[in-house]
Formats: sequence, C-alpha cells, structure tokens
Amino acid sequence: QKEVEQDPGPLSVPEGAIVSLNCTYSNSAFQYFMWYRQYSRKGPELLMYTYSSGNKEDGRFTAQVDKSSKYISLFIRDSQPSDSATYLCAMSPSAGTGNQFYFGTGTSLTVIP
Amino acid sequence: DAGVTQSPTHLIKTRGQQVTLRCSPKSGHDTVSWYQQALGQGPQFIFQYYEEEERQRGNFPDRFSGHQFPNYSSELNVNALLLGDSALYLCASSFGLAVAYEQFFGPGTRLTVL
Repeated sequence: QKEVEQDPGPLSVPEGAIVSLNCTYSNSAFQYFMWYRQYSRKGPELLMYTYSSGNKEDGRFTAQVDKSSKYISLFIRDSQPSDSATYLCAMSPSAGTGNQFYFGTGTSLTVIP
Repeated sequence: DAGVTQSPTHLIKTRGQQVTLRCSPKSGHDTVSWYQQALGQGPQFIFQYYEEEERQRGNFPDRFSGHQFPNYSSELNVNALLLGDSALYLCASSFGLAVAYEQFFGPGTRLTVL
C-alpha cells in the first residue's frame, strides 16, 4: 500500500465551478500536510500547508485535514482557467524535509472557459 | 531575487552514459534536496545536502550521487544510465532542515535516456 493515494484524474470543470481534490494516507504519524500546484514543464509551487487537523483558508483555496479518516482535501472556489494544472498533495510526520516527505501522484485539473 | 535555478533544462542520453545535473538554491537557502518525478507520478526523494554533506537518502541506488559546494549549489550525478532513469529531476531548496512547508522547487531538468 502506498503511503499517499491520490486520484490522478483527469478532472475537467467549467469556469466558476467549485473543485474538490483529495488524498488519503495510511501513516497516522503524518502531521504536516501540503498542497502543491505544478504547471506543465514547471516545478511544484507550494499553495498551502496545514499542521495537524482542521481547515485553512487562503483566498479561493481551502485546505481541510481529517486525521481520524486519514483524508485531506483542497477546495478551489470560483475556479479559473489559470487554475489548470496538476495538484500534488504531500505530507510528512515532522517539519523536516527529506525521506519522510511523501507526495501523491497528482491530480490533473482543467478549467474550461 | 532569483528562485531555484537548474541546468540544463533538458538533455538526452543513451543507456550506460553518465549525467550531471546542477542546481542553485534560492538566495538565503542552504539546504538542497533532489527529487525524481517520473511521468504521471509524484516526486520521489533522492537525497538531501546540508553543510556539504548528504544528510538523508531515499530509496535510490548508489548510481545516484551528489555534491554540495561551499556556495550551497549542488550537483546530482547519475552513472550507468538506465531507460527507467528518464524523468524530471527536481531540485528544492530551503533554509535549514526542519521546514518541510518552505521548500522551493526549481523548474527541473528533463532527462531522456534512449
């Protein structure tokens, strides 16, 4: 079983829709949860991070963590064509980088004008 | 302020050859991590350098080696290339080791092995 599971999509939505992206994980020790956006032929860009459980909002983006279900989500409100990218979740048991930092496979999102 | 830079952008090698990829961290950063991202997959951690030493290593064979220079820049070397080494190689930098949420990634080097 992989440490982090993420539906690869692809996901296609009309402009203005609410998008829900999800990851599940198996390691209950994970405490730091990150969402990255990766445009084609670019490196990942950190969107948001959350420590432990709860919600965090930043503009049109909301990250949710449910540690009891080992499930994290990223919601994008009023989606824009510029949001078209691959979204990667990542998580770690500690604040340290390195070999305890696990990525999902990424979900490809297309927002249609 | 320049972000993380990597060179070359892309390159093509044949099986058995050796390759060196380069990374300059974001200004003010002293830690460099390398990741391999195969097509359709998430990045996989290769190793991490801090104070010119390899601090952590992922599940990659010894064919993968690296170096960090006094100016914090880093190289990734891959020997005896295999077809399966074809991937996007990402460099990420941070200030220190305990900042998983403050890694900045470069644009990557796309390696194709024929």
